[in-house]
Amino acid sequence: QVQLVESGGGVVQPGGSLRLSCAASGFTFSNSGMHWVRQTPGKGLEWVAAIWFDGSKKYYADSVRGRFTISRDNSKNTVFLQMDSLRAEDTGLYSCARDFCSGGSCYYFDFWGRGTLVTVSS
Amino acid sequence: DIQMTQSPSSVSASVGDRVTITCRASQGISTWLAWYQQKPGKAPELLIYAASSLQSGVPSRFSGSGSGTDFTLTITSLQPEDFATYYCQQANSFPFTFGPGTKLDIK
Repeated sequence: QVQLVESGGGVVQPGGSLRLSCAASGFTFSNSGMHWVRQTPGKGLEWVAAIWFDGSKKYYADSVRGRFTISRDNSKNTVFLQMDSLRAEDTGLYSCARDFCSGGSCYYFDFWGRGTLVTVSS
Repeated sequence: DIQMTQSPSSVSASVGDRVTITCRASQGISTWLAWYQQKPGKAPELLIYAASSLQSGVPSRFSGSGSGTDFTLTITSLQPEDFATYYCQQANSFPFTFGPGTKLDIK
């Protein structure tokens, strides 16, 4: 069955960095686009970044563009989120999600990991 | 960015009831809309995509409709496991955005 397992979260000071990982199994990872989505009590669900199945295209939310970088290693079935210049408002539960397409309709999220918690605080 | 709103923000209902949740987009998104269910401590689950297509494995008591800016999720004959928070999400354009959620609890 499809599994997505995030790791790498933790407590970091403002201006610091973290690298999140999402290990995928149970499907052909190299055929799937992947996303990062975060959830906070204040802002709810917020899409963060997306990467094409082959890594050729990447998209970011305005709030993280220039600070976060999404990447993937298809040989290791893993997607990453490098987070730099972290701010207090980046605090939240970060989940990876698989992109779902059907009949030409894409950009839905059909499987999610349970998330890894990021806390930005001094 | 496309803003998504939902109403109501919370609703109380009983087992067996029919419930309708509304989602509105700040601009037309055709049928590029999904609905998710989330239970406490769990990841969201995809229920409906393309506004009205039922995701595999989702019970047929869930249905979606709408296009353009106005969408609805309907749950007929509520079951105990349906009490959760429901979110809509637009997939029309980057950045993808979610509604604030509708919490469905037991009356």
